[in-house]
Amino acid sequence: KNQVEQSPQSLIILEGKNCTLQCNYTVSPFSNLRWYKQDTGRGPVSLTIMTFSENTKSNGRYTATLDADTKQSSLHITASQLSDSASYICVVSAGSNYQLIWGAGTKLIIKP
Amino acid sequence: GAVVSQHPSRVICKSGTSVKIECRSLDFQATTMFWYRQFPKKSLMLMATSNEGSKATYEQGVEKDKFLINHASLTLSTLTVTSAHPEDSSFYICSASPGQGFNQPQHFGDGTRLSIL
Repeated sequence: KNQVEQSPQSLIILEGKNCTLQCNYTVSPFSNLRWYKQDTGRGPVSLTIMTFSENTKSNGRYTATLDADTKQSSLHITASQLSDSASYICVVSAGSNYQLIWGAGTKLIIKP
Repeated sequence: GAVVSQHPSRVICKSGTSVKIECRSLDFQATTMFWYRQFPKKSLMLMATSNEGSKATYEQGVEKDKFLINHASLTLSTLTVTSAHPEDSSFYICSASPGQGFNQPQHFGDGTRLSIL
């Protein structure tokens, strides 16, 4: 069964600190993996999209990694800011029709 | 670029009312549009996929007569929740893609908070 699991479910850190969010997936065949940021009451915004051959991709203070062998991805946030408070969702594209399998998200709270 | 506008942002109406939600791609042509539903503290759940000019493809368990989708142009799709009831209260989000299928980038609207009294 295609599944995407994220951890932790929620995380609270102080402003300025770094953090890493995890995504494990059991999806086959794999097409690509996406990280989205969703502010409360808003639509998701794409942070990164990685294909099978990509190990790492950065977008400003966000760096995503992908290990296709272990089927794990991480999203590292550097020097967190209050505006980073949001849910971060890992999404894997799978199958011949590239259906998107959504993780439940990690709720990140940045405290001053 | 790749801006998707969703309207209205919030709707409160009485049970039995039909509600129409619009999704527009402002600066690109959306070959495919997707409609999602999101419950509190849950991730997005795909309801249906629509390609311009053809009937929408609904996910299992989604009533097509309840959730009417029209994708009449390359920049506009609408979702009509017919005879809405309190259990239809949810956050509805659309996304638009310039290509066909799931393997293309999806650009999301800001969602519509629907509350049925």
